[in-house]
Amino acid sequence: AQSVTQLDSQVPVFEEAPVELRCNYSSSVSVYLFWYVQYPNQGLQLLLKYLSGSTLVKGINGFEAEFNKSQTSFHLRKPSVHISDTAEYFCAVSGNYGQNFVFGPGTRLSVLP
Amino acid sequence: NAGVMQNPRHLVRRRGQEARLRCSPMKGHSHVYWYRQLPEEGLKFMVYLQKENIIDESGMPKERFSAEFPKEGPSILRIQQVVRGDSAAYFCASSPLASRDEQYFGPGTRLTVT
Repeated sequence: AQSVTQLDSQVPVFEEAPVELRCNYSSSVSVYLFWYVQYPNQGLQLLLKYLSGSTLVKGINGFEAEFNKSQTSFHLRKPSVHISDTAEYFCAVSGNYGQNFVFGPGTRLSVLP
Repeated sequence: NAGVMQNPRHLVRRRGQEARLRCSPMKGHSHVYWYRQLPEEGLKFMVYLQKENIIDESGMPKERFSAEFPKEGPSILRIQQVVRGDSAAYFCASSPLASRDEQYFGPGTRLTVT
């Protein structure tokens, strides 16, 4: 069975500061990893995904994430955040046999002026 | 290409009534997933369907909940005899392949049980 841990439930950060949102997973099989963003009262939007290849993945809105197999992590980073980045961020993992997605509990990023 | 459509966006039901939530996947997508998001919580998988087949319903409550994805028309999530604990946001997602690829999410249906 797969599981996803997001250790930080809330991350406050000042505008233009860097941010890292942590994600760790556990799985007995190869996985695919995703970060989604959810703005208030909206559905989820894909930020980026890791399927294979380069461990550094670049996504939309200036976000990037690095897949670290030895540490079973997929942390999300942005060098300089904007007020508009305030949202809930979900890390997710899926297996390679058509299983469902397993989502982490989410991290609420609050960007302060 | 229209995105995933869900309707209604908001649904209010009294305890004991039935709730029917509809999801139209993106054009060309034959895989549909339903998730439930309780207040202040992440998304929990409920069911995975392909056309006319339920592939994985391991996240569905054993009673009162059912889902279908007919050959024609949208996928339906049905909740019978709703209770207050069913109040949540229900999200549908679709993908062109099995779930190892990204899923495209609809805007959700917010169910309130009074």
